[in-house]
Amino acid sequence: NAGVTQTPKFRVLKTGQSMTLLCAQDMNHEYMYWYRQDPGMGLRLIHYSVGEGTTAKGEVPDGYNVSRLKKQNFLLGLESAAPSQTSVYFCASRLAGGSSYEQYFGPGTRLTVT
Amino acid sequence: GNSVTQMEGPVTLSEEAFLTINCTYTATGYPSLFWYVQYPGEGLQLLLKATKADDKGSNKGFEATYRKETTSFHLEKGSVQVSDSAVYFCALLKTGNQFYFGTGTSLTVIP
Repeated sequence: NAGVTQTPKFRVLKTGQSMTLLCAQDMNHEYMYWYRQDPGMGLRLIHYSVGEGTTAKGEVPDGYNVSRLKKQNFLLGLESAAPSQTSVYFCASRLAGGSSYEQYFGPGTRLTVT
Repeated sequence: GNSVTQMEGPVTLSEEAFLTINCTYTATGYPSLFWYVQYPGEGLQLLLKATKADDKGSNKGFEATYRKETTSFHLEKGSVQVSDSAVYFCALLKTGNQFYFGTGTSLTVIP
């Protein structure tokens, strides 16, 4: 049981390049989230998904796209990277319903855009 | 809207000192409240939670009480250890699927 894994762990992009971050979970969780973490800003929600084939915008969705073609995977895409997207990106997942509400986080991806 | 305000850091304490990290929230109705901890180089982990007013969440010696009258969820520990050095995040979940996080408070415990 690997929990939540993220690929890659580090990446450096030039302005205008594109890339996709992969999040995978093996806990059969319905909900998945992408956050970015910036100094002094805490975690901010980019996009989230409540199930396979569904996605929704969070607090800071501009410049990002997401897809959830399989329940276990949640992809975050940057079509044209900008220096403002330099950040640490965290994926999280959790069960739907119940009273736990616990999110399980991946180890993060550190992205630098030059 | 929904938001969480956390005490600014960083906080430096000696081992065995008492810890308080303040957290207040803005939300309508009755959100669920959480404290998450992030150790260096890792993702966040749930530390404790409270889902209704006057609930007390506790774990690993940490406690926080959901106070609706003061819209607060302050984190406390009676005697901190070096291994408690981490960044602590307060968060809320209103009905729906979005969590709102505070900015985080960095704690360093020195021997």
